[in-house]
Amino acid sequence: AQRVTQPEKLLSVFKGAPVELKCNYSYSGSPELFWYVQYSRQRLQLLLRHISRESIKGFTADLNKGETSFHLKKPFAQEEDSAMYYCALKGTYKYIFGTGTRLKVLA
Amino acid sequence: GAVVSQHPSWVICKSGTSVKIECRSLDFQATTMFWYRQFPKQSLMLMATSNEGSKATYEQGVEKDKFLINHASLTLSTLTVTSAHPEDSSFYICSAQRGGGSSYEQYFGPGTRLTVT
Repeated sequence: AQRVTQPEKLLSVFKGAPVELKCNYSYSGSPELFWYVQYSRQRLQLLLRHISRESIKGFTADLNKGETSFHLKKPFAQEEDSAMYYCALKGTYKYIFGTGTRLKVLA
Repeated sequence: GAVVSQHPSWVICKSGTSVKIECRSLDFQATTMFWYRQFPKQSLMLMATSNEGSKATYEQGVEKDKFLINHASLTLSTLTVTSAHPEDSSFYICSAQRGGGSSYEQYFGPGTRLTVT
């Protein structure tokens, strides 16, 4: 079965603290994974993809095939990082999204 | 870049009426578009996959006769909420797929907020 799990609905951290948003997946084959972000009243936008191995807005995510995880990390959270984050898996013919994690960065 | 638009961005309708939402890929052709529903502060729920020139594929639990999808061209898909009720009030988001095979990309529209009174 193709599935994405984000165990945390809400994650609250203080500004300057490290952040880790968890994502686990189930996929038979070579997965392609993404993180999308949705800021308040804005459209869903791509944050990063594992293939490009890039760092966007200080966020990174490493694909761990052994643990079937693709956790999103940032060493020092900023207030503007507060948003809804979705982990997604490129399935056979459609994207499969996790249920999302709302990140709240407290001042 | 790949841009997807939705129209209208916000609509209010009376209970029992029908509402049509358009999703357009502005600078690329999309044989496949997707319709999602998002409740306030909740996750995306895939409603259906819209295929150009053929019937849409609905996810389990989504009423086909309630949410009519038409993908008449390679750049336009429409979602019609028929006989709308207040519980249909939600944020509807479309996405368009560019490319095919294993190299496809998905781009999202800004969403349409539907309020049924």
